[in-house]
Amino acid sequence: AQSVAQPEDQVNVAEGNPLTVKCTYSVSGNPYLFWYVQYPNRGLQFLLKYITGDNLVKGSYGFEAEFNKSQTSFHLKKPSALVSDSALYFCAVVRGNKLVFGAGTILRVKS
Amino acid sequence: DAGITQSPRHKVTETGTPVTLRCHQTENHRYMYWYRQDPGHGLRLIHYSYGVKDTDKGEVSDGYSVSRSKTEDFLLTLESATSSQTSVYFCAISERDQYYNEQFFGPGTRLTVL
Repeated sequence: AQSVAQPEDQVNVAEGNPLTVKCTYSVSGNPYLFWYVQYPNRGLQFLLKYITGDNLVKGSYGFEAEFNKSQTSFHLKKPSALVSDSALYFCAVVRGNKLVFGAGTILRVKS
Repeated sequence: DAGITQSPRHKVTETGTPVTLRCHQTENHRYMYWYRQDPGHGLRLIHYSYGVKDTDKGEVSDGYSVSRSKTEDFLLTLESATSSQTSVYFCAISERDQYYNEQFFGPGTRLTVL
């Protein structure tokens, strides 16, 4: 069974508008959740993680994510998108002792 | 890509030949990982290491072997390359068990098997 799902292959948003990149998970117990970003021809960069505590997690570059246990979601958000946010975004969850990645969502921010 | 290098960055090889990819870190992190990235699949774990000479299999380990003789180096070997192993390979490191810590990724190696 898929442990983490990113339902949108691509998200398009205008510069200055809020953005959301969706992620849902399906692991038992308390999940450990991560967001990574990949710029063209680069490795992945860590954005933020949820381990425990406050459901709203703040990360790098103005991104934040909201953990929702009842909806088993961990959506990535930013209040005002920048063209430079255009990249490939991965959600990941710890399953067993390994990190399992979603398929990724391309974010395109247009000026 | 702090403190992590991968070599080569690009390689084209033929089916049936052995290929070795190298990951080198200067962070003295204990945990090292090899992933492959394919469209529609995200990243999938091939093998990982939790110390010198300590390695274990990941999700897609068939056709791959690894070795770690020094803290700083983690080698991935394709014993007999196949076209299905055409992919982008990423090395990652982590200071402690991944339950708690994020992983840091290298720049990747693009491998094409003809």
